[in-house]
Amino acid sequence: DIVLTQSPATLSLSPGERATLSCRASQSVSNYLAWYQQKPGQAPRLLIYGVSNRATGTPARFSGSGSGTDFTLTISNLEPEDFAVYYCQQRNNWPPTWTFGQGTKVEFK
Amino acid sequence: EVQLVESGGGLVQPGGSLRLSCAASGFTLSTYWMSWVRQAPGKGLGWVAHIKEDGSDKYYVDSVKGRFTISRDNAKNSLYLQMSSLRAEDTAVYYCARSPYSSADLWGQGTLVTVSS
Repeated sequence: DIVLTQSPATLSLSPGERATLSCRASQSVSNYLAWYQQKPGQAPRLLIYGVSNRATGTPARFSGSGSGTDFTLTISNLEPEDFAVYYCQQRNNWPPTWTFGQGTKVEFK
Repeated sequence: EVQLVESGGGLVQPGGSLRLSCAASGFTLSTYWMSWVRQAPGKGLGWVAHIKEDGSDKYYVDSVKGRFTISRDNAKNSLYLQMSSLRAEDTAVYYCARSPYSSADLWGQGTLVTVSS
């Protein structure tokens, strides 16, 4: 099974700074790589799908990139509402099972 | 309004059974794959199961195979998760999610399942 490893576990930043979150796969994955944001007490929210496509309502400051085994979520200019936990997720080609990374918490510095 | 609403969670003893439901509204359920994803208290997300649009194909994480069954009733706009032989490690918030293009673009608010004696 493919394992997704996210780093760092915690990112301490201030509003206005740039956040760079990493998601590394144990083997090459297809373009079925997504990113989610989760705030305390809330359900996750899809931010990015297909590596780099912003979901409906995702602000332009969020961008996804990468290929093969290394993927990145970048938040270009942190807003106060961006402090949350972020998860990456991939889908196997076959069978179409999913794997999530363990999450990166973006917290106030 | 486009939404998913889960129900059916609660406290159950180890070895017991529980059926979760997810009511869809504001969109045509029959045109989407659907999924269940869970989150143990204080932990990350874990995929549980998928079901194809017409219910003909189902996939499960290894840890629930033979114990959980995902199903759907498109006429009732509903998704289900029948859980049996429940274990303490199944304790989690269970989310239903709409799953086009291999990601989940719509989530319910979740329902808490607690397995404890």
